[in-house]
Amino acid sequence: AQSVTQPDIHITVSEGASLELRCNYSYGATPYLFWYVQSPGQGLQLLLKYFSGDTLVQGIKGFEAEFKRSQSSFNLRKPSVHWSDAAEYFCAVGVADTGNQFYFGTGTSLTVIP
Amino acid sequence: NAGVTQTPKFQVLKTGQSMTLQCAQDMNHEYMSWYRQDPGMGLRLIHYSVGAGITDQGEVPNGYNVSRSTTEDFPLRLLSAAPSQTSVYFCASSYVLADGYTFGSGTRLTVV
Repeated sequence: AQSVTQPDIHITVSEGASLELRCNYSYGATPYLFWYVQSPGQGLQLLLKYFSGDTLVQGIKGFEAEFKRSQSSFNLRKPSVHWSDAAEYFCAVGVADTGNQFYFGTGTSLTVIP
Repeated sequence: NAGVTQTPKFQVLKTGQSMTLQCAQDMNHEYMSWYRQDPGMGLRLIHYSVGAGITDQGEVPNGYNVSRSTTEDFPLRLLSAAPSQTSVYFCASSYVLADGYTFGSGTRLTVV
């Protein structure tokens, strides 16, 4: 069965510090990979996506993610975190062979200290 | 474009009551899904649809029904509400998998 693992439930960083959120997936082929952000009380917004090509992808709000096939990982990074980045972050895997299903990780909650 | 519209935003039900959560999208997306979000569990897929007239079960379908009579609408029906169905429900749609899903703003449901 497909699975998505976000090993960090909660991360705290200082404003201006760098950030890396981890995501590992379990799937036979290279799936479609996504990162979403959810602010409190809001829906989910797509940050970035990967399905082929350059393994380093750029997204909105200064975020980037790197796909590493050998590690089955798709980690999200940001060089300098802003207080407004405090939110819940979800990694998702898209599976084409069963009706475009998306499987989500359990999320990482980010707190930013001024 | 309104995107994905969910109604209502909040709902309180008594155990055993039934209700329908509405979801509509105006982007001509073929793929639509319903998720529930619970603390510490991420988003879990309830039901999904790959087009009008076609639906299938996701990870946690028990207690829920769906239908897809039009491309635009994908309602989720709770047949007999239980406290375990207290959750935040999200509807999402997609044109193609590579685009990712567009999410509605959610419905917060409390079953007492």
